[in-house]
Amino acid sequence: QITLKESGPTLVKPTQTLTLTCTFSGFSLSTSGVGVGWIRQPPGKALEWLALVYWDGDKRYSPSLKSRLTITKDTSKNQVVLTMTNMDPVDTATYYCAHVNWDLRIFFNYWGQGTLVTVSS
Amino acid sequence: QTVVTQEPSLTVSPGGTVTLTCASSTGAVTSGYYPNWFQQKPGQAPRALIYSTSNKHSWTPARFSGSLLGGKAALTLSGVQPEDEAEYYCLLYYTGTQGVFGGGTKLTVL
Repeated sequence: QITLKESGPTLVKPTQTLTLTCTFSGFSLSTSGVGVGWIRQPPGKALEWLALVYWDGDKRYSPSLKSRLTITKDTSKNQVVLTMTNMDPVDTATYYCAHVNWDLRIFFNYWGQGTLVTVSS
Repeated sequence: QTVVTQEPSLTVSPGGTVTLTCASSTGAVTSGYYPNWFQQKPGQAPRALIYSTSNKHSWTPARFSGSLLGGKAALTLSGVQPEDEAEYYCLLYYTGTQGVFGGGTKLTVL
């Protein structure tokens, strides 16, 4: 059974750096074809792809946010960490992590529950 | 900047059929964009429905189907049920770069 769960601060101040952790079970990021991605959703708005890391260390970022994002994986801990610098109120959103099966081109078949991050002074 | 466009809203009667589409600003959508479709109900995380254009997940009801239609990715619901009222998102993958979600279609069953 695949599960994912996001954790991190619920409130950050403008200009601060956000660090979110995705802890997962039921699969390994050392298995060929596996990936974990981050997606966000501002209140009442659409989903937005942020970043994705694959089993082989390959990383993909949203071009519009690439300069602010870093995604890393810790295979031994079954965790993926996303950092986003220079936070702004427009970054207020629910942040999700989700599983990817690249071999079948399945994107985000399993999702975490999401964590709401509010950016405010 | 790549934009993926969906109908903002659609209305369908119970038992009816409706098709949602997903277009790319770069041109015709092909299977190489590996279209994925998701359903999201208020207060819930998205749920995957379709991957790689037309493949269903084990939990996807049979009334949902995916295809390519007129240069777009399409999601068709046949025999719509009241519980299908939700927001639907498509995702296109741009090889070598990243994925882009559409703006979502709010489906009303009325």
